[in-house]
Amino acid sequence: GAGVSQSPRYKVAKRGQDVALRCDPISGHVSLFWYQQALGQGPEFLTYFQNEAQLDKSGLPSDRFFAERPEGSVSTLKIQRTQQEDSAVYLCASSFRLGSSSYNSPLHFGNGTRLTVT
Amino acid sequence: GIQVEQSPPDLILQEGANSTLRCNFSDSVNNLQWFHQNPWGQLINLFYIPSGTKQNGRLSATTVATERYSLLYISSSQTTDSGVYFCAFAGTALIFGKGTTLSVSS
Repeated sequence: GAGVSQSPRYKVAKRGQDVALRCDPISGHVSLFWYQQALGQGPEFLTYFQNEAQLDKSGLPSDRFFAERPEGSVSTLKIQRTQQEDSAVYLCASSFRLGSSSYNSPLHFGNGTRLTVT
Repeated sequence: GIQVEQSPPDLILQEGANSTLRCNFSDSVNNLQWFHQNPWGQLINLFYIPSGTKQNGRLSATTVATERYSLLYISSSQTTDSGVYFCAFAGTALIFGKGTTLSVSS
């Protein structure tokens, strides 16, 4: 596709509900990143995929957060039993480079999913 | 970990004015990048600038790695320049500062 596509654009969930956020990276991009951006803050790293392999999940804040990329393209970030502190914008980014080399070139971000937990 | 400080936190300009945004680091960093997040949330990469100076239209950036800072210059600002400007560097992941919020009025 022309850019990184994320859906839904907005999501409102009641506390305790499960949510699933989708990311369609740029076609052919092997690296995929998820970031969480709280209001008034910079994006914070959650997890990194190289193709279908999740190589780094050190940023996931709790075991309620789970991400997958089963076929090495589309990725889903799932949050179970949502809490109010999960309210944030969730950003997905992709790169044609691998691993830390991804940072040697511009990273392409989607428009994000704004999650509000009530 | 490495601390990154962006200044000023907020900036209000009249259209046509120039501005300088700064990013300071507590230690040497790699692969510094500048991003613009528009009011609709889209993050756009402006520069990949680990060192030296680059220019792109009305924007330019300079990184002095040995002195652990980077500057983003915006000349003849326009209302479309409004948004949040982030610097970021490669640590274990791409690490972002807290940003400078720029508002340009006509």
